[in-house]
Amino acid sequence: QKEVEQDPGPLSVPEGAIVSLNCTYSNSAFQYFMWYRQYSRKGPELLMYTYSSGNKEDGRFTAQVDKSSKYISLFIRDSQPSDSATYLCAMSAPNAGGTSYGKLTFGQGTILTVHP
Amino acid sequence: DTAVSQTPKYLVTQMGNDKSIKCEQNLGHDTMYWYKQDSKKFLKIMFSYNNKELIINETVPNRFSPKSPDKAHLNLHINSLELGDSAVYFCASSQTIGTGGGETQYFGPGTRLLVL
Repeated sequence: QKEVEQDPGPLSVPEGAIVSLNCTYSNSAFQYFMWYRQYSRKGPELLMYTYSSGNKEDGRFTAQVDKSSKYISLFIRDSQPSDSATYLCAMSAPNAGGTSYGKLTFGQGTILTVHP
Repeated sequence: DTAVSQTPKYLVTQMGNDKSIKCEQNLGHDTMYWYKQDSKKFLKIMFSYNNKELIINETVPNRFSPKSPDKAHLNLHINSLELGDSAVYFCASSQTIGTGGGETQYFGPGTRLLVL
């Protein structure tokens, strides 16, 4: 079983829809939670990051973390065709020394298509 | 003025060959990474260097050897290429590590390696 599970989709929605993307994880040491967006044939780019549990909003995007359920979500409101991409959740935990957060563990990515 | 650049973008080679991928970042970051993304879009960390020192070395075959001549460059050399090495390899950088987490990782455009 992978440490981070993400439904690969694909997910196809009409323009203007609310999109919900989710990941579950098994490692309770994860403390930082991120969502990356990857357009076709490009590198991933960071969309949102959240520390521990709670919500964070940035424009049309809202990230939620529920550490008790080991579940994170990304909501996209008023989705646009330009949101069509692969969305990857990523998480990090301290290393044995308790300092480094550099190692990201990614989900498989969800392919999202928003059609006009 | 690309932030993280990789060369080459595409690499097609025969099994058994040795090849190198180069990565450069002009962001002044201390930390650089190599990731492998397989055909199912699963992105997995391979190595990380901080100020030219190896800090993350995941379970990868020793045919893969990273080299960091200075903190702006991180190259990946692969010996005796195998069919299973076919993937997209991403370089990334972050300002630093170990300062409390959440350091954004900036990804390069990827190098698409096909081993025949």
